[in-house]
Amino acid sequence: DQQVKQNSPSLSVQEGRISILNCDYTNSMFDYFLWYKKYPAEGPTFLISISSIKDKNEDGRFTVFLNKSAKHLSLHIVPSQPGDSAVYFCAASDGNQFYFGTGTSLTVIP
Amino acid sequence: DVKVTQSSRYLVKRTGEKVFLECVQDMDHENMFWYRQDPGLGLRLIYFSYDVKMKEKGDIPEGYSVSREKKERFSLILESASTNQTSMYLCASSLTGVSYNEQFFGPGTRLTVL
Repeated sequence: DQQVKQNSPSLSVQEGRISILNCDYTNSMFDYFLWYKKYPAEGPTFLISISSIKDKNEDGRFTVFLNKSAKHLSLHIVPSQPGDSAVYFCAASDGNQFYFGTGTSLTVIP
Repeated sequence: DVKVTQSSRYLVKRTGEKVFLECVQDMDHENMFWYRQDPGLGLRLIYFSYDVKMKEKGDIPEGYSVSREKKERFSLILESASTNQTSMYLCASSLTGVSYNEQFFGPGTRLTVL
């Protein structure tokens, strides 16, 4: 059973606007979360992370928000750029291994 | 920069063949992982290793085995390939402390089993 879910397989956003990618999880033991970005024909690359003791982490144009009570995290990209077009995976750790979501394909339209 | 390389980008094999997928990392990472990526299923962990000669089953180990004879190299073995093992295979490595260290991924091997 999928413990980490990304319910939107795809998302299209105009350049300069905000992109919001969502991720839900079911396991309350998850205490560390990451976002990865994947371009075609390349492996995923780490983007940003957040510990469960925080509710927000920011790195340049990328901000991750964590709502533990809702078991929900989101990645905000502001402003979105065409080079952000990729598949984004969220991942969660229970201290033993990472569990990945199914991915959301983001297209930023110039 | 960490570099994780995988022996093949594309591989085509026949049902029943024994298949070896090789992964090498150059940053002296203790942990190494094998995932498969399938549409609608995301990345699923097959096996991982904390150290040389050590291995742990992930979520979907059936039909696979692994070998880690040297710290930098982690091999995934399909003893008798089947069509349902057609997938993208991704290798990753990380520093000690699997739960909180980012994983560095290789470019992937797209395996097709006919």
